[in-house]
Amino acid sequence: DAKTTQPPSMDCAEGRAANLPCNHSTISGNEYVYWYRQIHSQGPQYIIHGLKNNETNEMASLIITEDRKSSTLILPHATLRDTAVYYCIVRAIQTGANNLFFGTGTRLTVIP
Amino acid sequence: DVKVTQSSRYLVKRTGEKVFLECVQDMDHENMFWYRQDPGLGLRLIYFSYDVKMKEKGDIPEGYSVSREKKERFSLILESASTNQTSMYLCASTTAGITDTQYFGPGTRLTVL
Repeated sequence: DAKTTQPPSMDCAEGRAANLPCNHSTISGNEYVYWYRQIHSQGPQYIIHGLKNNETNEMASLIITEDRKSSTLILPHATLRDTAVYYCIVRAIQTGANNLFFGTGTRLTVIP
Repeated sequence: DVKVTQSSRYLVKRTGEKVFLECVQDMDHENMFWYRQDPGLGLRLIYFSYDVKMKEKGDIPEGYSVSREKKERFSLILESASTNQTSMYLCASTTAGITDTQYFGPGTRLTVL
């Protein structure tokens, strides 16, 4: 699975958009981009995933560059409850169980 | 909603004790995983299972074993706990599919004294 690079920490003002970048320059054509987050003392929570096209759901938007070497997770109106560590993961779909490789992620702090 | 539960949130054991960590999921998922999470190291896969009675080693299986006798239950066993196994242990489950997402339990913080 391709490695990802994320900034270790970011701050965002409450109510503003949080834009979390991720570099995955060695991504392969069959690898998806996944985003998870982990709020303190809880298990990781799935947010969104995509292959080529931009994706949006009730939690966030995912913007993937045309060359797929980087992506941005957007939380449109950050709240204090969005304070968490955000993980960007790229992986290919394989037969059998598909484990995830979590790096160290970006610690997002939403400031009142 | 998918629910993954773990038997304990906090556990304190002594060196050499046998430790059982239980994980149960209620969504009929085929695949289940055990990770440990340590500061600065992210999540590391210990073992996973893609079917009842099937298991595969992950990245750091040494010192651990697993058991999957029923589809909904995946147990992690520390045969003889050591202090370097003090960690947060996370269980996850997922369906076997093209874009399956993993659902995690709340985690068990194990301290080995």
